[in-house]
Amino acid sequence: DAGVIQSPRHEVTEMGQEVTLRCKPISGHNSLFWYRQTMMRGLELLIYFNNNVPIDDSGMPEDRFSAKMPNASFSTLKIQPSEPRDSAVYFCASSTWGRTDTQYFGPGTRLTVL
Amino acid sequence: DAKTTQPTSMDCAEGRAANLPCNHSTISGNEYVYWYRQIHSQGPQYIIHGLKNNETNEMASLIITEDRKSSTLILPHATLRDTAVYYCIVRSFQKLVFGTGTRLLVSP
Repeated sequence: DAGVIQSPRHEVTEMGQEVTLRCKPISGHNSLFWYRQTMMRGLELLIYFNNNVPIDDSGMPEDRFSAKMPNASFSTLKIQPSEPRDSAVYFCASSTWGRTDTQYFGPGTRLTVL
Repeated sequence: DAKTTQPTSMDCAEGRAANLPCNHSTISGNEYVYWYRQIHSQGPQYIIHGLKNNETNEMASLIITEDRKSSTLILPHATLRDTAVYYCIVRSFQKLVFGTGTRLLVSP
């Protein structure tokens, strides 16, 4: 199994630009999670989906952030416009849907906004 | 979500058992205790979870006190590759809320 796949692995952009992060969950998993990790705030859950439907987006910091899951094998997290404080590592995780089902994390995308 | 309290850092000699404590005094009856670790800047890796019974798998053992207010993760024979940040999480349904974790340093 390939595991959770994220792209790009590194992204450097300038303030004001649009950034799109991509995630391919593990085949057969129907829940997908986006996390952000910074030194100041640690690992935070931004949003999660079940069966392609957003369930909880209370962690999305601002309207500049949006996430979609058009099908079971693909999700995007978009930041428009990007700001330097968005610099972080963004992780995607997937699982089956259950109270104790394990979340498997991808390798992350390191975003730097100049 | 119930909060967890973990020591900031711990040291362990290679080959010895690493015992990582966690306090979760406000845990409710249907919440599970989960442990993940993060090696350097990789994605977090699942280790083990439990409700009230002790659990063991190929990676570690989890000991939960009878009142469920605290737990201990045990790595029986720590190796250098176990150097990581270890997160104790009280899970409420789908959400994992990560705290600051314990930075474990395994030394030769």
